[in-house]
Amino acid sequence: DQQVKQNSPSLSVQEGRISILNCDYTNSMFDYFLWYKKYPAEGPTFLISISSIKDKNEDGRFTVFLNKSAKHLSLHIVPSQPGDSAVYFCAASAGGNEKLTFGTGTRLTIIP
Amino acid sequence: DVKVTQSSRYLVKRTGEKVFLECVQDMDHENMFWYRQDPGLGLRLIYFSYDVKMKEKGDIPEGYSVSREKKERFSLILESASTNQTSMYLCASFSTSNTEAFFGQGTRLTVV
Repeated sequence: DQQVKQNSPSLSVQEGRISILNCDYTNSMFDYFLWYKKYPAEGPTFLISISSIKDKNEDGRFTVFLNKSAKHLSLHIVPSQPGDSAVYFCAASAGGNEKLTFGTGTRLTIIP
Repeated sequence: DVKVTQSSRYLVKRTGEKVFLECVQDMDHENMFWYRQDPGLGLRLIYFSYDVKMKEKGDIPEGYSVSREKKERFSLILESASTNQTSMYLCASFSTSNTEAFFGQGTRLTVV
């Protein structure tokens, strides 16, 4: 049972444009959400997070939006840069339980 | 600079061998995790540990065991390696006060 879903396995975006990566979850107990970026042959690195008490969090070019009623979150990257090409994972945790449940990932390719 | 170090980047083992994957963190984190990453399946949790000598099964523990004798070290053991355990293995740690997980660089294990 996949509790965190990323329905787009891949996404291609022109350099300079906005990249939007989506994530859906089914477990209503999840209250903390994170996005990780992963290059080949490296471990994932933390990008940005959001608590369920917020609906938006920004950090530079990265913004995460949370829609609790729809159980949906999205990561916006603007403007997209070639170095953003990577696999992006969303992850969620519930009620102080630090176990993270990950989605299947979306491979983002930025076209120069 | 925070560090999670996995003992090997690449490993090739034979079917039936006992395999040890080692992970060390220098951040005094209570929580440590082992995930495996496979194409189309994302990161799946194998085992985790909240404290020394404590261990909990994740979503796919079959064929694996773990050991946490010291706070900084979390070992994943494949009792009898099989070809379906060929994968990228990722170790992560984080503290109870901060749900951002830090990952090691990963171990690419091939079982032949």
